[in-house]
Amino acid sequence: NAGVTQTPKFQVLKTGQSMTLQCAQDMNHEYMSWYRQDPGMGLRLIHYSVGAGITDQGEVPNGYNVSRSTTEDFPLRLLSAAPSQTSVYFCAVRTGGSSPLHFGNGTRLTVT
Amino acid sequence: RKEVEQDPGPFNVPEGATVAFNCTYSNSASQSFFWYRQDCRKEPKLLMSVYSSGNEDGRFTAQLSRASQYISLLIRDSKLSDSATYLCVFMDSSYKLIFGSGTRLLVRP
Repeated sequence: NAGVTQTPKFQVLKTGQSMTLQCAQDMNHEYMSWYRQDPGMGLRLIHYSVGAGITDQGEVPNGYNVSRSTTEDFPLRLLSAAPSQTSVYFCAVRTGGSSPLHFGNGTRLTVT
Repeated sequence: RKEVEQDPGPFNVPEGATVAFNCTYSNSASQSFFWYRQDCRKEPKLLMSVYSSGNEDGRFTAQLSRASQYISLLIRDSKLSDSATYLCVFMDSSYKLIFGSGTRLLVRP
């Protein structure tokens, strides 16, 4: 998994709860990102970061926060979980420029 | 028009068959192209990049047509282990990656 570690693998939340999905990498990649994958929708970019201290919004950022205080870590925070956030979340990294993405194992989140 | 269009399948083929998938894109400024493979309940994994002149990796051949704005993936001599979902991916001029929804392949004995 290109040295990308995601935790937890599974999580069940009640509506309104908050939580943080963790993503850590040990390959010194500058670019890190979060995607969600829903049936029939493909992978959609939530937030991304091109380096420590820099984050930006992707296609579907609402309801999520990120921070990048170190090169290694890029946590994704759900502020107040909603059933629409039930999905599989992938953290992905790349070396930069036009290189492809390498994904973590994913976090399967259910919000009831 | 969707940025990426990919036939969801499933393509159901016997072992040993040759199967091909196409994927069309709408952004003519797309500059890099990839095929990923995703097994059920797993993360997508890079299968191969797609180069302008076409490229081959064992039983897999990827082609690009900029004029017609599509990429293709050909799998020869299909194996049971090839059963998976294949995602096409484009990178636009701002390095944003656009994913197709995937084509499901089932290889039967």
